[in-house]
Amino acid sequence: DVKVTQSSRYLVKRTGEKVFLECVQDMDHENMFWYRQDPGLGLRLIYFSYDVKMKEKGDIPEGYSVSREKKERFSLILESASTNQTSMYLCASSLWQGGEQFFGPGTRLTVL
Amino acid sequence: DAKTTQPTSMDCAEGRAANLPCNHSTISGNEYVYWYRQIHSQGPQYIIHGLKNNETNEMASLIITEDRKSSTLILPHATLRDTAVYYCIVTTRGTGNQFYFGTGTSLTVIP
Repeated sequence: DVKVTQSSRYLVKRTGEKVFLECVQDMDHENMFWYRQDPGLGLRLIYFSYDVKMKEKGDIPEGYSVSREKKERFSLILESASTNQTSMYLCASSLWQGGEQFFGPGTRLTVL
Repeated sequence: DAKTTQPTSMDCAEGRAANLPCNHSTISGNEYVYWYRQIHSQGPQYIIHGLKNNETNEMASLIITEDRKSSTLILPHATLRDTAVYYCIVTTRGTGNQFYFGTGTSLTVIP
């Protein structure tokens, strides 16, 4: 079975902290994605990666960066967390671009 | 931007077929229709996708109109566990594509 795991289900951080959200997939997928989900706004793409060390900006990359040093792991970094980054963060992977995406359970981040 | 339009919410009686519509009038020839669902507090789950032919799998059926401007996801015998938000997405299967998740349809299955 396809499996995407995220490091935490719930996370509470303070304004200004550096935050790392980790995502790991065990399916040898080429592509990985980070979304955030907010009420009334649906899922919005932050960044995606189609290969190791490669990254592409999505629709809302401001305030975020990513790292993909290994194929199975895609990290989302909030350099200096702000309250408007309080959200549900979802990671996904797909075998190839345009293929169906498989999602992790999500991390609910609260920035105080 | 989302290229699809879906009703905000729908109800369906348990055991009956749930028919979820989606309009995608600007779909282009190489774009596929995908359906996902998201049960509360979980990540979205892939259901089915299609290009122009109708598709069926163990979860659902996808009916795409001949002009491809709309589609319907059918859950043949809805159960309470099918209560979720359903997303219809149109995208290409290739380099640079993105999945745009709109706000979807909130389906409530009623006992």
